[in-house]
Amino acid sequence: AQTVTQSQPEMSVQEAETVTLSCTYDTSESDYYLFWYKQPPSRQMILVIRQEAYKQQNATENRFSVNFQKAAKSFSLKISDSQLGDAAMYFCAFSGRNGNKLVFGAGTILRVKS
Amino acid sequence: NAGVMQNPRHLVRRRGQEARLRCSPMKGHSHVYWYRQLPEEGLKFMVYLQKENIIDESGMPKERFSAEFPKEGPSILRIQQVVRGDSAAYFCASSPGQGGNQPQHFGDGTRLSIL
Repeated sequence: AQTVTQSQPEMSVQEAETVTLSCTYDTSESDYYLFWYKQPPSRQMILVIRQEAYKQQNATENRFSVNFQKAAKSFSLKISDSQLGDAAMYFCAFSGRNGNKLVFGAGTILRVKS
Repeated sequence: NAGVMQNPRHLVRRRGQEARLRCSPMKGHSHVYWYRQLPEEGLKFMVYLQKENIIDESGMPKERFSAEFPKEGPSILRIQQVVRGDSAAYFCASSPGQGGNQPQHFGDGTRLSIL
C-alpha cells in the first residue's frame, strides 16, 4: 500500500520570502502521479501542482515549483515570493497510474507573516 | 462551467438519524470519488464510483455507510444511524476518466455535525 508522509506539521514564512514544504512517499509502482493541494480556511481543496513520475523535469506553476527526486521518493513544494493568500494547509497526495484514489499526507500548515 | 457541487454545505444530525450528502460532478465528468476528513487530519479515500457502478469501496466502513451514483442525478453518500464519530468534512471529487493523468477536482465539502 502507498503511504505519504509530511513531516512538517507547521511552517512559517515571511511575506515575499521562499519556503519549501517536504513530502516523502512509499510505493512499489514505477509509474504514478504526485500532487500538491491547498486547503485555505474556507476548506476548499485546490489543486496547486501536479508531477508525472515518468517526467524528469520538475513541474512549475507560476510561483510554485516542485523538487521531484524519484530515487529518494521525495516530492517537495517550493513557494517563491510568498503572499498572505498562500496561508493554508498544504496536502501532498499520490495516485497510482490507474488513479482510482488519492492517498494524502497529514498536511502542513503554512503561516505567512507580514 | 460549474465545478463540483456539493450540498448541503453544513448538515446537523442527532445521533441515530440518517445523513444524505449529495454531489454533482463537473460537466463531462463521469467518475466520482468520496473522501472524509476528520478534524486535524488529511483526507481519506472512501469510495470511487462511475455511473451506476461502485468501482472501489475499500475505504468505506462496512456498516451504516453506502454510496450510489445513479444514471440520472447526483451521487449520494448515505450514513445511517449516525454516531458522534461520523462528524467530519466529506468531500466529493470528480474526473473525466480513470487514471492519474485525470486530475480530481474537488467540491467545497459537506461539514457533518452530530449532536
